[in-house]
Amino acid sequence: DVVMTQSPLSLPVTLGQPASISCRFSQSLAYRDGNTYLNWFQQRPGQSPRRLIYKVSNRDSGVPDRFSGSGSGTDFTLKISRVEAEDVGVYYCMQGTHWPYTFGQGTKLEIK
Amino acid sequence: QVQLVESGGGVVQPGRSLRLSCAASGFNFSNYGMHWVRQAPGKGLEWVAIIWHDGSDKYYVDSVKGRFTISRDNSKNTLYLQMNSLTADDTAVYYCAREGGAAGGSFDYWGQGILVTVSS
Repeated sequence: DVVMTQSPLSLPVTLGQPASISCRFSQSLAYRDGNTYLNWFQQRPGQSPRRLIYKVSNRDSGVPDRFSGSGSGTDFTLKISRVEAEDVGVYYCMQGTHWPYTFGQGTKLEIK
Repeated sequence: QVQLVESGGGVVQPGRSLRLSCAASGFNFSNYGMHWVRQAPGKGLEWVAIIWHDGSDKYYVDSVKGRFTISRDNSKNTLYLQMNSLTADDTAVYYCAREGGAAGGSFDYWGQGILVTVSS
């Protein structure tokens, strides 16, 4: 299976400041169809996961533009330009290029 | 709007079986693959299984192979997960999620989740 490392696992951030989460993989996530199947999800306390970003950098409908995704190959990043109180929760990366699909360990974002 | 509603969870003894259902609405169910994902209490997300839009192919995580079966009834817009030989390690909230394909990407919509507790 693909080995993935998500970091940091805990992310205390001051309101209005930027935040960044990294996911690294043991194999390239580039698929033969030209796509890279790397998604980012947010899970607020007590809620179902919500997809924020798909295929590395495509923001889902309704997701604020302060969220952005980047990366290629084996290294990927989710950035929040200015953290707001509603961003508190756990963030997961997920790869869908190799079987089995796998989620990162999760990054708990909290407000300092 | 897209809605996914899971049902069938509850408390079950180790070694017994349970079948989860996921009722889909707001989209053409027969055009989309579907997933089951689970989350043990206080833990992260674990992908469990996927079924192709027409049921022609299925994949499972190793930990449930031979015990769980994913299926669907496109005439009823419903996804299922038959879980046999349950153990305490299967205790989790189970979510169904839509597969958006090469264009839309995976897990674009999720259900609210249903709790399965395996305990004697």
